[in-house]
Amino acid sequence: AQSVSQHNHHVILSEAASLELGCNYSYGGTVNLFWYVQYPGQHLQLLLKYFSGDPLVKGIKGFEAEFIKSKFSFNLRKPSVQWSDTAEYFCAVNAHAGNNRKLIWGLGTSLGVNP
Amino acid sequence: EPEVTQTPSHQVTQMGQEVILRCVPISNHLYFYWYRQILGQKVEFLVSFYNNEISEKSEIFDDQFSVERPDGSNFTLKIRSTKLEDSAMYFCASSGGWGANEQFFGPGTRLTVL
Repeated sequence: AQSVSQHNHHVILSEAASLELGCNYSYGGTVNLFWYVQYPGQHLQLLLKYFSGDPLVKGIKGFEAEFIKSKFSFNLRKPSVQWSDTAEYFCAVNAHAGNNRKLIWGLGTSLGVNP
Repeated sequence: EPEVTQTPSHQVTQMGQEVILRCVPISNHLYFYWYRQILGQKVEFLVSFYNNEISEKSEIFDDQFSVERPDGSNFTLKIRSTKLEDSAMYFCASSGGWGANEQFFGPGTRLTVL
């Protein structure tokens, strides 16, 4: 069965610190990969996505992620976090298999950034 | 900017009662989804819907659940006889296409079954 693991459930950083959130998935075929963010009181919104091409993907608000196929990983990074990055971050995978278009989700990582 | 809306934001119901959760997807989207998140657990896929029929459903989506697009704008999730374990946040999403196309999410409906 497909699954997604996020290694860090709660992360606390100071402003200007670097961020890396781990995401691994289990599926042997072609996948699309996503990072969604949910700011307090707001909708889930897309940070970035990978579906083909350059494995280093850049998203909104200075976030980037690198797809490493051999490691089944799609880690999220930001060189310098801000207080406004405080949010819940979700990694999700969409596996290409027949009509399968559902997103499989990680548990999420709660990020707190201290000013 | 167009967005997915959901009503109500919070629904409290008694066990065994029927509930209908409502969603208005983005107007030119063709693909619709329901997900749910039980407190402290992962977001789980329930069902996807396209061209007025279910495309895929999870094993959670049993006979107690149904979806409908009753008119050109609404997309509803009905739970026929709620159980305590149905208490969760229910998210509606829509997308313009399959696969890599972004799914846009609504704010969610928190369902509490007493």
